Amino acid sequence: DGGITQSPKYLFRKEGQNVTLSCEQNLNHDAMYWYRQDPGQGLRLIYYSQIVNDFQKGDIAEGYSVSREKKESFPLTVTSAQKNPTAFYLCASSIGPGIQYGYTFGSGTRLTVV
Amino acid sequence: QKEVEQNSGPLSVPEGAIASLNCTYSDRGSQSFFWYRQYSGKSPELIMSIYSNGDKEDGRFTAQLNKASQYVSLLIRDSQPSDSATYLCAINRGGDSNYQLIWGAGTKLIIKP
Repeated sequence: DGGITQSPKYLFRKEGQNVTLSCEQNLNHDAMYWYRQDPGQGLRLIYYSQIVNDFQKGDIAEGYSVSREKKESFPLTVTSAQKNPTAFYLCASSIGPGIQYGYTFGSGTRLTVV
Repeated sequence: QKEVEQNSGPLSVPEGAIASLNCTYSDRGSQSFFWYRQYSGKSPELIMSIYSNGDKEDGRFTAQLNKASQYVSLLIRDSQPSDSATYLCAINRGGDSNYQLIWGAGTKLIIKP
């Protein structure tokens, strides 16, 4: 079945540590996205990528980094520069540009600073 | 003014009644509109999309779009306890921004048995 796989489901980060969240899709979608969701809040865009080897900053990119070396994969690294990383992280994809396309989401990664 | 606004709720509706969720947006050129449902602790799932003025029905769900008044709504008929969730409104402005959806903060819906 086609879909988006995020791993791990839960992740614990120590102060000063970098961690990487995995996002893999087998939907053959061109565009991929990373969002952060805090309790009771909406979705905030961290980074997005329209094609392989290209990505753009979203509204809250500081303290995060991404890569898009393969169409299927869009990993997110939460660096030590992100001072408040505890949140629910969602990866999404869409088939490409076009007003009619919504997003498909992965199941999310819940990151906690310990 | 936020680009996409929703009442945060919670909106409490008796089981079997019609739940009405509303969303307003500021960019008059917005071209497509989506409703997502998000259960607590889960990821959003797409339940409706609408692109033209008027109503679009899918089972118990009806999306309504009024571009002149810049609002989109979601009606849920015969509400069930399983409909209790947060409903997110998202829009695509098209043009240079057509890769991105702009999100509302969501309305929490509670269906009371």
